[in-house]
Amino acid sequence: QKEVEQDPGPLSVPEGAIVSLNCTYSNSAFQYFMWYRQYSRKGPELLMYTYSSGNKEDGRFTAQVDKSSKYISLFIRDSQPSDSATYLCAMRGGNSKLTFGKGITLSVRP
Amino acid sequence: NAGVTQTPKFQVLKTGQSMTLQCAQDMNHNSMYWYRQDPGMGLRLIYYSASEGTTDKGEVPNGYNVSRLNKREFSLRLESAAPSQTSVYFCASTSGGSYNEQFFGPGTRLTVL
Repeated sequence: QKEVEQDPGPLSVPEGAIVSLNCTYSNSAFQYFMWYRQYSRKGPELLMYTYSSGNKEDGRFTAQVDKSSKYISLFIRDSQPSDSATYLCAMRGGNSKLTFGKGITLSVRP
Repeated sequence: NAGVTQTPKFQVLKTGQSMTLQCAQDMNHNSMYWYRQDPGMGLRLIYYSASEGTTDKGEVPNGYNVSRLNKREFSLRLESAAPSQTSVYFCASTSGGSYNEQFFGPGTRLTVL
């Protein structure tokens, strides 16, 4: 079992839809949880981050962590065509290395 | 402030050829990383350098070598390229901190024939 599992996708939704992206993990040492967004032919960029369990909201984006279930989610409200990208979850424990999910490609149709 | 830069952007090699991918950052970051990204495989860590003068293997180091030339520069070398090394290579850097936010370069698309 890989340390981080992410729904493979791809995912296609109409503009305005609520999108839910999810990852599960197996390593109990992970404490810091992040979502990176990667546009086509670009490098990933940090979108959101959370520490331990709980929710964090930033505009249309909400990151949620449930450490008891080892499950993290990213919700996108009122999705826009500009949200079309690949989303990668990432997490780390006590060292400097990040462990990434495989990424899911989201397409928002106008 | 250019962030993380990588050269070249594209490269085609024949099996057995060697090449060096260059990476530089101007953010005074301590740690630098090399990843490869393949369809369906996500980002996989090849090598990293926690600080100037140190390098460590990541998840997929075979067939690669690295050099942390100074604080700014971290190069990745393929001594004898193989078709399995066809991939997109990303360099990243971070100053550390709780979330260890990594700043990525634009990538190098490498094809090995």
